[in-house]
Amino acid sequence: NAGVTQTPKFRILKIGQSMTLQCTQDMNHNYMYWYRQDPGMGLKLIYYSVGAGITDKGEVPNGYNVSRSTTEDFPLRLELAAPSQTSVYFCASSYKPGHTVQPQHFGDGTRLSIL
Amino acid sequence: AQTVTQSQPEMSVQEAETVTLSCTYDTSESDYYLFWYKQPPSRQMILVIRQEAYKQQNATENRFSVNFQKAAKSFSLKISDSQLGDAAMYFCAYGEGSNFGNEKLTFGTGTRLTIIP
Repeated sequence: NAGVTQTPKFRILKIGQSMTLQCTQDMNHNYMYWYRQDPGMGLKLIYYSVGAGITDKGEVPNGYNVSRSTTEDFPLRLELAAPSQTSVYFCASSYKPGHTVQPQHFGDGTRLSIL
Repeated sequence: AQTVTQSQPEMSVQEAETVTLSCTYDTSESDYYLFWYKQPPSRQMILVIRQEAYKQQNATENRFSVNFQKAAKSFSLKISDSQLGDAAMYFCAYGEGSNFGNEKLTFGTGTRLTIIP
């Protein structure tokens, strides 16, 4: 029963490098999300997707890109890593039947350090 | 924009006692949902409880219950018979119901709960 799987769990990048954080879910959820969590703070939404081929910006999208080619996968790309992007990144998914708001299921997070 | 405020950065409670974590939110909507998530040191985000705004009855899940005061825009979490495994960061979150919406959640800054043996 995998749920939401994120890889890698830890990563150190140099300033200016790029990388992709992987996220996959096996629950056939239509909605997927990327959040970042800075020390001592709550989660802030980076990007979200309401279905394959549809993505939109959240609260803090600058410096990131996403794509959603399949229902299962929602990768997050950092093009030019900056120290301000040092954070813990969470991927989440949910199923949305009509107008209700269902709980989001979270992955275990990726701790990313930019040096 | 909706905001969620958790005014207690840290709380502690003796094992087996009861503790209440506070959360207030700001919204002009009538159709919304509220959540409490738990984040233990393992970093996982675990759903504790969910409340639908149109339901007057407070949600309960075993030792966890909420006091939902819609007019006051308050959503506190009560943990009864506290256990060592309850030690974690607790986040309050708000989401709006909409047929065209995206279920974005707005999170508070969290309350770190310590259980004293």
